[in-house]
Amino acid sequence: AQSVTQLDSQVPVFEEAPVELRCNYSSSVSVYLFWYVQYPNQGLQLLLKYLSGSTLVKGINGFEAEFNKSQTSFHLRKPSVHISDTAEYFCAVSQTGANNLFFGTGTRLTVIP
Amino acid sequence: DGGITQSPKYLFRKEGQNVTLSCEQNLNHDAMYWYRQDPGQGLRLIYYSQIVNDFQKGDIAEGYSVSREKKESFPLTVTSAQKNPTAFYLCASSTVGSYNEQFFGPGTRLTVL
Repeated sequence: AQSVTQLDSQVPVFEEAPVELRCNYSSSVSVYLFWYVQYPNQGLQLLLKYLSGSTLVKGINGFEAEFNKSQTSFHLRKPSVHISDTAEYFCAVSQTGANNLFFGTGTRLTVIP
Repeated sequence: DGGITQSPKYLFRKEGQNVTLSCEQNLNHDAMYWYRQDPGQGLRLIYYSQIVNDFQKGDIAEGYSVSREKKESFPLTVTSAQKNPTAFYLCASSTVGSYNEQFFGPGTRLTVL
């Protein structure tokens, strides 16, 4: 069965510092990878996705992620965070023929002024 | 604007009562999903439907029921058999065979008094 691991449940970072949120998945077949962001008491919003092609994917709000097949990882990065980036971030994976997305348990990013 | 609506935003119920959460989409998506979100546990799949008049159980279907009489609508009933129903409920939709990229509604917070 597919699984997604987000190694850090909470990540505090100072404003304007860089951040990396880690995501690893388990799959031996082709996968599709997603990062979603959730602000308090709201639904999930798609940040970026990897379907095929270039392994470096750029998303909204200055975020980017790199697909690494050999390490089965899809880490999310931002070079300089803002207070408004404080939110929960979810990594998700799907694969060809699957009916659903598999979500990680989330990483709470807190940006400190 | 196309999107997913969930109502109400906040819902209170007394123990032993059934309650129905609404989810409507105008994205012309065939597939719809219900998730439950608890702190620190990420998203857990309750039910999903890929076509009208058909649906499948997810990982935590016990104590819940759904119907899919129209493509646009996928209501979730939380029954009195659900032992711990207080949670944040998220509805999502996607096209079938589209990498399973899901679009989310704003959520309903259910509190059992």
